[in-house]
Amino acid sequence: ETGVTQSPTHLIKTRGQQVTLRCSSQSGHNTVSWYQQALGQGPQFIFQYYREEENGRGNFPPRFSGLQFPNYSSELNVNALELDDSALYLCASSFRTGGGFGYTFGSGTRLTVV
Amino acid sequence: AQRVTQPEKLLSVFKGAPVELKCNYSYSGSPELFWYVQYSRQRLQLLLRHISRESIKGFTADLNKGETSFHLKKPFAQEEDSAMYYCALSEGGYQKVTFGTGTKLQVIP
Repeated sequence: ETGVTQSPTHLIKTRGQQVTLRCSSQSGHNTVSWYQQALGQGPQFIFQYYREEENGRGNFPPRFSGLQFPNYSSELNVNALELDDSALYLCASSFRTGGGFGYTFGSGTRLTVV
Repeated sequence: AQRVTQPEKLLSVFKGAPVELKCNYSYSGSPELFWYVQYSRQRLQLLLRHISRESIKGFTADLNKGETSFHLKKPFAQEEDSAMYYCALSEGGYQKVTFGTGTKLQVIP
């Protein structure tokens, strides 16, 4: 059984640039959720994808967007990067929507915006 | 709006002492509650879910709807319990899971 893998592990971008983060779900999981975790904070829900469609969104602006592919892998795209976007971005997969059975998390991508 | 509150940023206990990590929530519906744990240099992982009423690594948590709490307890702390603990709430049929800010548990040998 494979776990959730994220790439890259670290990334440095300049303000105004665009970034794409990638995630491969755990085998058998059909739902992917993305979280942003700022230093000293708990993870904040960005959005969730189920069957290749957005299935819920947190309080994040439209410049945060995503994709889910037929193999359940996923991308998080952030346009027009701002300094406050610097954070750890976590991908989590689950069996169904709602996270009711609990998530399996990746190790995260540390994004630094300078 | 739903909210999860973990009032303690840091909890230090001696090995063998009881542990209670506090979690309170606000949510108008029927929530699903979880505890997640993050050991040093490891990824965030699910510890337990209230609906399964299980004990994992000696930890238990009871959902108290009257007090809107879901405290995590263990009778005798072990050094390997030292980690960051997050309480989380799922809005049932909706997709969003809300996390608390976390409590760092430090078990002193």
